[in-house]
Amino acid sequence: AQSVSQHNHHVILSEAASLELGCNYSYGGTVNLFWYVQYPGQHLQLLLKYFSGDPLVKGIKGFEAEFIKSKFSFNLRKPSVQWSDTAEYFCAVNEAGKSTFGDGTTLTVKP
Amino acid sequence: DTGVSQDPRHKITKRGQNVTFRCDPISEHNRLYWYRQTLGQGPEFLTYFQNEAQLEKSRLLSDRFSAERPKGSFSTLEIQRTEQGDSAMYLCASSQPGLELHEQYFGPGTRLTVT
Repeated sequence: AQSVSQHNHHVILSEAASLELGCNYSYGGTVNLFWYVQYPGQHLQLLLKYFSGDPLVKGIKGFEAEFIKSKFSFNLRKPSVQWSDTAEYFCAVNEAGKSTFGDGTTLTVKP
Repeated sequence: DTGVSQDPRHKITKRGQNVTFRCDPISEHNRLYWYRQTLGQGPEFLTYFQNEAQLEKSRLLSDRFSAERPKGSFSTLEIQRTEQGDSAMYLCASSQPGLELHEQYFGPGTRLTVT
């Protein structure tokens, strides 16, 4: 069965710092990859997605992610975080319809 | 359309009682998913429907759980004889056919507390 690992449970950064959140998945077949964000008190929202093509994908709010097939990874990056990026971030892998999520990374950005 | 809606948002029940949750997907979306999320974990897949057909059920979905989508629109998730371990956030998501099939839109969830 598919599994998703997010390496950091809690990340604390100062504003303007760069961000990279790790995500690795276990299954090597054709998968669709996603990052979701959950702001405090809100529901899960799609941040970005990878289906095929260019392995570097750009999402909303300046986030991007790189799919590296050989490493089964889909890491999330942002060059300069803002206080409003404080949220929980989930990596997800979708195959044949259902999604498998990582346990999430809580990002706290200090002003 | 304002997105996926779920009702109720919060439910407190006593152990042994039955509860039912409702999910209304985005209107043109033919797939509907149920997930469960506990504190400190990501959502876990429970089941999904394509139109009114239930296509897959997780082994997490014990005999006490049943889901329906009778007319291919809204869905209900019922938990019978609730246990304290059922306390969680129950999430519903939907997706549309075509190229964006696997892009799921999530509702706000129903938080269940079993006392």
